[in-house]
Amino acid sequence: DTGVSQDPRHKITKRGQNVTFRCDPISEHNRLYWYRQTLGQGPEFLTYFQNEAQLEKSRLLSDRFSAERPKGSFSTLEIQRTEQGDSAMYLCASSFSGTANTEAFFGQGTRLTVV
Amino acid sequence: SQQGEEDPQALSIQEGENATMNCSYKTSINNLQWYRQNSGRGLVHLILIRSNEREKHSGRLRVTLDTSKKSSSLLITASRAADTASYFCATDGSNFGNEKLTFGTGTRLTIIP
Repeated sequence: DTGVSQDPRHKITKRGQNVTFRCDPISEHNRLYWYRQTLGQGPEFLTYFQNEAQLEKSRLLSDRFSAERPKGSFSTLEIQRTEQGDSAMYLCASSFSGTANTEAFFGQGTRLTVV
Repeated sequence: SQQGEEDPQALSIQEGENATMNCSYKTSINNLQWYRQNSGRGLVHLILIRSNEREKHSGRLRVTLDTSKKSSSLLITASRAADTASYFCATDGSNFGNEKLTFGTGTRLTIIP
């Protein structure tokens, strides 16, 4: 296991189309996070899972966004009816919640461009 | 929304010099983490400092934390061209820890060979 894996790395889509991204966390990590990063800014929290339970969602996660982690392993983030404002880097991270102070490890991200 | 800010927003130094970046945040924290991001890539974890720690070292990195001032600094000694990247601080202010990170706006560091 070499780390958090995200697929695809790049996605170009037309406005109005649906897109789905996948994240495979580090295998022993029970927490999985999604962040969004726009150019020149730091990542912003979208949502996180502990095992298969989605425990928190940001206000940034509009009803066009849905995330799942059906078996507590990989996760998917779907954006329906994409808008140009959805263009960003979508980052996935994972961590182990056994102790309060452990690092979160990030994937390489999926860069979404909506044209 | 961003938790705080890094200062400076951009920094250019000669290779071999030391680079210092500062981070300020707004709320109480469990820990503060520093990450590096090369252009268009994911974030690489550098170091975590707990709220009850004041200083931590890792290789050429030195991190300080002042919870009374809600600030942290990252020092990179003997900089190398490969250190060119954006650096972000991130805070974990959750009640039970390890729930979500709130990032600053980042410092873009350029090392001039």
